[in-house]
Amino acid sequence: AQKITQTQPGMFVQEKEAVTLDCTYDTSDPSYGLFWYKQPSSGEMIFLIYQGSYDQQNATEGRYSLNFQKARKSANLVISASQLGDSAMYFCAMSGGTSYGKLTFGQGTILTVHP
Amino acid sequence: EAGVAQSPRYKIIEKRQSVAFWCNPISGHATLYWYQQILGQGPKLLIQFQNNGVVDDSQLPKDRFSAERLKGVDSTLKIQPAKLEDSAVYLCASSLSRATNEKLFFGSGTQLSVL
Repeated sequence: AQKITQTQPGMFVQEKEAVTLDCTYDTSDPSYGLFWYKQPSSGEMIFLIYQGSYDQQNATEGRYSLNFQKARKSANLVISASQLGDSAMYFCAMSGGTSYGKLTFGQGTILTVHP
Repeated sequence: EAGVAQSPRYKIIEKRQSVAFWCNPISGHATLYWYQQILGQGPKLLIQFQNNGVVDDSQLPKDRFSAERLKGVDSTLKIQPAKLEDSAVYLCASSLSRATNEKLFFGSGTQLSVL
């Protein structure tokens, strides 16, 4: 079975600073994928970034980067130069093995960006 | 391209009543998912379709929940009879395939309140 753990219920960051949101995972599948989604107060889930278990380099998408440490089973999201619009709930999720594409989500982290 | 469409956006019912949610996935997406998101938690998969067949419904409370995806496009999720604990946001998502690296596209969700 797959499990995602996000231990930070809430995080605060000053505008223009960087912030790291933690995510650890557990799976017995050798091939898996790790995703981060953003959920603003409006409710829609917005895809941010993806990392495959066999990818040699950490994924980056604009201001988002994924700090993938396979041995530690962690996939932390780093947001650089935070903006007020980054305030939202952030979910880490994984797929793989016999999940047939479905995602297992963590509990989420609420990020608040202060001006 | 058009995103995942869901309706209604909000629904308020009394316990023991029935309710139905509708989802239209992105054109060409073979895989469709229904997730339940209780306030303050991550989304939990209820059911996954591949075209018009069910891939995974292991987390669907089948005594009260049902879902169908006729003709492999639109999908309807029904609850009958509703309980107080069914109050949640019901998210529909779709993807091109069930590959591990395939990202899911989500609709805006239906917020259900059971009184």
